[in-house]
Amino acid sequence: NAGVMQNPRHLVRRRGQEARLRCSPMKGHSHVYWYRQLPEEGLKFMVYLQKENIIDESGMPKERFSAEFPKEGPSILRIQQVVRGDSAAYFCASSPPGRTYEQYFGPGTRLTVT
Amino acid sequence: SQQGEEDPQALSIQEGENATMNCSYKTSINNLQWYRQNSGRGLVHLILIRSNEREKHSGRLRVTLDTSKKSSSLLITASRAADTASYFCATDAYMAQGGSEKLVFGKGTKLTVNP
Repeated sequence: NAGVMQNPRHLVRRRGQEARLRCSPMKGHSHVYWYRQLPEEGLKFMVYLQKENIIDESGMPKERFSAEFPKEGPSILRIQQVVRGDSAAYFCASSPPGRTYEQYFGPGTRLTVT
Repeated sequence: SQQGEEDPQALSIQEGENATMNCSYKTSINNLQWYRQNSGRGLVHLILIRSNEREKHSGRLRVTLDTSKKSSSLLITASRAADTASYFCATDAYMAQGGSEKLVFGKGTKLTVNP
């Protein structure tokens, strides 16, 4: 059973470009979470999704950020018009049904905005 | 505001010594978990302790939980150089908004084990 997959592992974008980060949850997991980690900081919750539904987006910046988890395919975290402050590691986690506290993390995508 | 706060922020010990890291939190929790993160890598789940448990062991790891003090400790015994990493505690909010079980992380303790 493969773990949580994220791609790309590293992403470099110029200011103003769009960044698309992908996350494939573990097989059988129906819940996906996105977290952001700034250098020397802990992870901060961004958004929680189930298939085709955003359950909790209380940690998402109001502008430029969006997330989806379609019926088919990976979950996508999209950042439009990136700025230098968006440079961070973005981690995805997934959990099995009924055990949402049991989150398994992917290796992360390190976004660098130049 | 931050739920979990680990201390110390950094800890340097010699191989073979024990390492103790502490975590304090603010609100009621269902579970508390400890994760390890090697530099530039993802998080590895170490251990979960439920709010009705006081102590849990896993190999060289021992976790305690004191809900009256809202604190937890992670003890790594007989440390090895390979234990060098950052260690984070994470709590899940008891009455999370929207019913979600988002994890709230502290800033972590950076452990260095010198050979």
